[in-house]
Amino acid sequence: GENVEQHPSTLSVQEGDSAVIKCTYSDSASNYFPWYKQELGKRPQLIIDIRSNVGEKKDQRIAVTLNKTAKHFSLHITETQPEDSAVYFCAATGGFKTIFGAGTRLFVKA
Amino acid sequence: KAGVTQTPRYLIKTRGQQVTLSCSPISGHRSVSWYQQTPGQGLQFLFEYFSETQRNKGNFPGRFSGRQFSNSRSEMNVSTLELGDSALYLCASSGATTGELFFGEGSRLTVL
Repeated sequence: GENVEQHPSTLSVQEGDSAVIKCTYSDSASNYFPWYKQELGKRPQLIIDIRSNVGEKKDQRIAVTLNKTAKHFSLHITETQPEDSAVYFCAATGGFKTIFGAGTRLFVKA
Repeated sequence: KAGVTQTPRYLIKTRGQQVTLSCSPISGHRSVSWYQQTPGQGLQFLFEYFSETQRNKGNFPGRFSGRQFSNSRSEMNVSTLELGDSALYLCASSGATTGELFFGEGSRLTVL
């Protein structure tokens, strides 16, 4: 069945450093790739997304890249801050179904 | 604009019982999807509804079912509860123009 693999499962960085989370999807029908941030005890919220006809998208300190041929997409966070600490989920959407990765717990040390 | 509302927020059931969870989407959103969130498995897709029709479903047993009403509100039902069904059940609604999912706060189910 459809699957989204996400790495790493845990990531610890020093404040100000960059963080990179990578995902791989299996369903060729996927055409929309959102990233959600979930803080402890709260609901997941969209932070950035990218569609299959775009290779890269940036919004201030966060950026996402997509390689459709390799079925890879990545989240890049620059100049990390303690408030970036949360669980990040990648997802692939197609055919009225959104499949999520298992999540990456990001710790930003002050 | 009110967000996605889920009820109840917390519930405790015993094995063998059944449970019904409710989700009211953002006004104007016609797509509602359900996810099971557990610490080890992340967010697992259960099913998606649009205009009272189930358009897709995940790999869950038939004990998990859902429906959507004409006002876009949705319910999911789990029958013959098992210990492994303990989880946070999240509902999300989506509008027509973007694929962004707007999540509710979830219904936390504990099965004893």
